Amino acid sequence: EVQLVQSGAEVKKPGESLRISCKGSGYSFTTYWIGWVRQMPGKGLEWMGIIYPGDSETRYSPSFQGQVTISADKSITTAYLQWSSLKTSDTAMYYCARMYSTETLSGFDPWGQGTLVTVSS
Amino acid sequence: QSALTQPASVSGSPGQSITISCTGTSSDIGGYNFVSWHQQHPGKVPKLLIYDVTYRPSGVSDRFSGSKSGNTASLTISGLQAEDEADYYCSSYTISSSLVVFGGGTKLTVL
Repeated sequence: EVQLVQSGAEVKKPGESLRISCKGSGYSFTTYWIGWVRQMPGKGLEWMGIIYPGDSETRYSPSFQGQVTISADKSITTAYLQWSSLKTSDTAMYYCARMYSTETLSGFDPWGQGTLVTVSS
Repeated sequence: QSALTQPASVSGSPGQSITISCTGTSSDIGGYNFVSWHQQHPGKVPKLLIYDVTYRPSGVSDRFSGSKSGNTASLTISGLQAEDEADYYCSSYTISSSLVVFGGGTKLTVL
């Protein structure tokens, strides 16, 4: 079964660092793009960025460039999203999602279950 | 502000058909056939409905169909059912550095 399993919920204070993970299984991890999507409470999906684990090519939405870092460790088939200094406005659900096919650049499936990040003093 | 523009809300009655539009530019929707649509029910993980403008993944009802004209893509849901009430998001490949852009989402209400 193809699946993405994300790390558990986090509660952090402003200024702290954080790395959340997304472990892929059941497919060739290095040949599919994996993206990250933010969903703030009661709001829509926001595109953050994407990585190709095969060569670690990474692209960011202009809104998130410099705010987060996306990486991947293909030896353990895991992608990461990290912050160096969290803000309260980073409170949101974060999803990872795999590009649906190696033959297209559209559509994401499967999705991880989501990681809830709460930043509060 | 999202890169792709969707109506905030649409509504329809059971059995009817509705269409959700998604407008971009020649750098994304208009230039490539890499448009997709996802459905999200409250509190749930998004689900892929359409990819490459018109294709449905296995298991997705044929009541969902996609199309594109110029810089605008559309999702049509026919034979509307109560379970279709959800948020719908379009996305597209973009030539810009981000590779992908999303729409702001459309809330579908089944009356």
